[in-house]
Amino acid sequence: QVQLQQSGPGLVKPSQTLSLTCAISGDSVSSNSVSWNWIRQSPSRGLEWLGRTYYRSKWYYNYAVSVNSRIFINPDTSKNQFSLQLTSVTPEDTAVYYCARFSGSNYQFFDYWGQGSLVTVSS
Amino acid sequence: DIQMTQSPSSVSASVGDRVTITCRASQDISSWLAWYQQKPGKAPKALIYAASNLQSGVPSRFSGSESGTDFTLTISSLQPEDFATYYCQQANSFPFTFGPGTKVDIK
Repeated sequence: QVQLQQSGPGLVKPSQTLSLTCAISGDSVSSNSVSWNWIRQSPSRGLEWLGRTYYRSKWYYNYAVSVNSRIFINPDTSKNQFSLQLTSVTPEDTAVYYCARFSGSNYQFFDYWGQGSLVTVSS
Repeated sequence: DIQMTQSPSSVSASVGDRVTITCRASQDISSWLAWYQQKPGKAPKALIYAASNLQSGVPSRFSGSESGTDFTLTISSLQPEDFATYYCQQANSFPFTFGPGTKVDIK
């Protein structure tokens, strides 16, 4: 059974960097058939996909245009986890952040999710 | 980006009712449509993938169908644990996008 466990601070000051980690159990961050994603949810923006990383002989990354210049997703094979960094945050980045596994091929959906992390951007 | 719309935005129903939720994509997404259920304070839970395939462990009262760019989630007989918000999501092209949600509450 795949489990995703999120960790990170719940309060970030404006202009600083939001950092979250998603620890994976029951699968590998280097798995060839899935991707590892970050999604956020806020009342104003709903569910918003932010980006993903996946391994297919090398690492690939895709990011949403809305955050493309500020986002970094980093896999850590030694700890079997992946992380999200969102720089230069503003109050509009306040949201619940989720990590999620995406199963591709004949499935194409987010089949496992982390528990969610409420991140508030405030001074 | 592909826009996803859902109707209705909310529905009040009773236990045992048949509930239908519709999702429309702004362009062709083939059959790459998933449905999720979310309860307050919890992460979304996958119900249906590829428009009509039931995720493992999901009760058979949930079903999905498609007609062109219109997709439907049906709950055949609403149970107390089904009161939640439901979202559709397209996986045909980046960025993956979600619908705004349909809240199913108690009548």
